[in-house]
Amino acid sequence: GQNIDQPTEMTATEGAIVQINCTYQTSGFNGLFWYQQHAGEAPTFLSYNVLDGLEEKGRFSSFLSRSKGYSYLLLKELQMKDSASYLCAVVDSNYQLIWGAGTKLIIKP
Amino acid sequence: GAVVSQHPSWVICKSGTSVKIECRSLDFQATTMFWYRQFPKQSLMLMATSNEGSKATYEQGVEKDKFLINHASLTLSTLTVTSAHPEDSSFYICSAPQGDYEQYFGPGTRLTVT
Repeated sequence: GQNIDQPTEMTATEGAIVQINCTYQTSGFNGLFWYQQHAGEAPTFLSYNVLDGLEEKGRFSSFLSRSKGYSYLLLKELQMKDSASYLCAVVDSNYQLIWGAGTKLIIKP
Repeated sequence: GAVVSQHPSWVICKSGTSVKIECRSLDFQATTMFWYRQFPKQSLMLMATSNEGSKATYEQGVEKDKFLINHASLTLSTLTVTSAHPEDSSFYICSAPQGDYEQYFGPGTRLTVT
């Protein structure tokens, strides 16, 4: 079966750095997305990785290792508005999006 | 970036009635749109793929006669929940791909069936 694992919940302090991990086992791989979702809202796109390595975009960076079936989202200089769920999603061999359950990130002052 | 809208934002209906949800791509054309359902504290579940000019493709376990999808134009897809029941209460979200990999999501429609 296809499976994506993320921690259910994480807590971090404003101004700090947090890393959210995602591991996957899917039938094929055609890329991995990270989305941010605030409560009651639709997800918003953060990043897309298809090649190994680190992609940096402002305060957010995303890393991918295809051989390990592993990705992480790194958030720097955390702000209170970063409190949200972070969803990892993998595109499988049929170009279907397989979603993780999301990681709820709680930022404390 | 591209914008996808949904209407209505939220709707309350009585059990047994039907509800139509619209998904529009506002500044780009989408031959394909995706419909998702999200129950509280759960991940997005793909319900169906809406294809302009042809029938929608439904995921396993999704009743196509209950969740009617019509992709009327390159900018509009509709999802009709027929004979809604309380267990259909959920957050329904559409998305449309643009370019090679970007997915743009609508703001979602919260359906409550009483």
